[in-house]
Amino acid sequence: ETGVTQTPRHLVMGMTNKKSLKCEQHLGHNAMYWYKQSAKKPLELMFVYNFKEQTENNSVPSRFSPECPNSSHLFLHLHTLQPEDSALYLCASSQGGGAEFFGPGTRLTVL
Amino acid sequence: QKEVEQNSGPLSVPEGAIASLNCTYSDRGSQSFFWYRQYSGKSPELIMFIYSNGDKEDGRFTAQLNKASQYVSLLIRDSQPSDSATYLCAVNRDTGRRALTFGSGTRLQVQP
Repeated sequence: ETGVTQTPRHLVMGMTNKKSLKCEQHLGHNAMYWYKQSAKKPLELMFVYNFKEQTENNSVPSRFSPECPNSSHLFLHLHTLQPEDSALYLCASSQGGGAEFFGPGTRLTVL
Repeated sequence: QKEVEQNSGPLSVPEGAIASLNCTYSDRGSQSFFWYRQYSGKSPELIMFIYSNGDKEDGRFTAQLNKASQYVSLLIRDSQPSDSATYLCAVNRDTGRRALTFGSGTRLQVQP
């Protein structure tokens, strides 16, 4: 498989559930990102990882917990989410500060 | 002032016309500039990047950069209905570890 993959593509969860989003990049990049995009809203950067080290956390609530075990994999652990967290969650990767390549996203609905 | 500004649109052009999308940025130290296309409900797709002042052409797309005026534009020649999407401008503020800064996008509608 090539590019950036994300699973699951769709997720429905209750406010008390715990779930995880997975991202994998096959591009040999050293940086990975999580973005949130609510309906008809701009991209919101959530987290940045460079060489597995978290370098940015844009005031994201603690109910979102990222994990980057290596340069190719990125997870977003979700717990006790709110309905307003429903959005498209996008993973991206890049080589340094170059172009970012996005995965297809996970459409999350919180009931 | 937003770091990367785009007119939200919609920009409506007839099929076959030239669509001109504009973007301004605030940081004079910006070095790399990118255009992404995002169809409704899909993820952004990179279509062009430009690093130097002037024009860069790729098929029907031309990116234009003017660092003195701090703007970058995207021209789409012979616009097709399939070009209808939101176009995002993104800027790299420095080399190395920082994420791109994205504009909020311009929605383009190409009328058949």
